[in-house]
Amino acid sequence: ELKVEQNPLFLSMQEGKNYTIYCNYSTTSDRLYWYRQDPGKSLESLFVLLSNGAVKQEGRLMASLDTKARLSTLHITAAVHDLSATYFCAVEDAGTYKYIFGTGTRLKVLA
Amino acid sequence: GAGVSQSPSNKVTEKGKDVELRCDPISGHTALYWYRQSLGQGLEFLIYFQGNSAPDKSGLPSDRFSAERTGGSVSTLTIQRTQQEDSAVYLCASSQLYTEAFFGQGTRLTVV
Repeated sequence: ELKVEQNPLFLSMQEGKNYTIYCNYSTTSDRLYWYRQDPGKSLESLFVLLSNGAVKQEGRLMASLDTKARLSTLHITAAVHDLSATYFCAVEDAGTYKYIFGTGTRLKVLA
Repeated sequence: GAGVSQSPSNKVTEKGKDVELRCDPISGHTALYWYRQSLGQGLEFLIYFQGNSAPDKSGLPSDRFSAERTGGSVSTLTIQRTQQEDSAVYLCASSQLYTEAFFGQGTRLTVV
């Protein structure tokens, strides 16, 4: 059974600092997605990573995928308050096509 | 439609009553997913449709939960004899194969 783990679960950081969120998964998959969720809102797609070595960047966020290590990272550069949200990774199960979500990382950027 | 539409957005029901939650996916999306999110928690997979069939119902918490999808489009999640532990936000998402899932705004269910 595919399991997806994220760490850290909670992250409080100062504006201007850098940090990385990690997403590990347990079985083979080439498709991984990152989402953002603001309080009381639904999930918004951030990145789609569809192959080993894929790297995507948008503003201060950069996501990468290493399918051999079964690891994706979401790197935050020079954090700003507007990035405060919960970030989820989701892995597409190769056999069933369903998306299994990580536990989420609640990010708080302090001004 | 332009996005995934869910109704109602909020539902308060008495314990023991049945509820129906509706999801209208993005036009042309073949896959449809239901997830449940309790306050401050992650997403719990409930059921997945490919077209009208549900190859994976493994996440349905009990036999009080059922779902159907008709015409490869609209889906209904039904919860019978609701219990307080059913209170959560129910999220629906749709996708094409091999692309990201797009989520609706959710239905917040409160069982009193």
